[in-house]
Amino acid sequence: DAGVTQSPTHLIKTRGQQVTLRCSPKSGHDTVSWYQQALGQGPQFIFQYYEEEERQRGNFPDRFSGHQFPNYSSELNVNALLLGDSALYLCASSTTQGFSNQPQHFGDGTRLSIL
Amino acid sequence: AQSVTQLDSQVPVFEEAPVELRCNYSSSVSVYLFWYVQYPNQGLQLLLKYLSGSTLVESINGFEAEFNKSQTSFHLRKPSVHISDTAEYFCAVTSPEAGSYQLTFGKGTKLSVIP
Repeated sequence: DAGVTQSPTHLIKTRGQQVTLRCSPKSGHDTVSWYQQALGQGPQFIFQYYEEEERQRGNFPDRFSGHQFPNYSSELNVNALLLGDSALYLCASSTTQGFSNQPQHFGDGTRLSIL
Repeated sequence: AQSVTQLDSQVPVFEEAPVELRCNYSSSVSVYLFWYVQYPNQGLQLLLKYLSGSTLVESINGFEAEFNKSQTSFHLRKPSVHISDTAEYFCAVTSPEAGSYQLTFGKGTKLSVIP
């Protein structure tokens, strides 16, 4: 049973560029959340997607956007990259059935470095 | 708003000694609490969770945590640590009653087990 898979594992970009990160949820999961984990910090919630729509958003600027596809996979897009966007980006999936009882399962993340 | 405080950023402990990693949370409504573990260059793995019922919860690898509502704490304990327990541990909270779908994490505690 495949868990949450993310691609790519590592990415290097320069300031001002745009990046797209991808996530496939665990089998049977229909909800995808994205988190940013800066070095030495805990993960911070970016947003959550369910039924192809953004259901909740954390305190991140509009440069961060996302998409969820009919097969429940998801993309995270970041425009106009800043040095401060360097971080590990984690995708987590869960089910909505009794959502509050479903801990979120995490992928291994994409390490994004901005030069 | 909810928040999590992990009081110790680093905890060194000798192998086979007991350990306690402290976690305090702040929320005006009922919460669900989690502990996640992160090994180097990996994502987060769920260690244990408190949703309701018994305030003492246990994991399969010997960790336990106790929910204390009056002290708003959810400390993680293990009576005898192993080298393989060396990792970073994150406490997290969510409040479905408040309509929140996000996990709010603490800054993490790095556990180093000394041979």
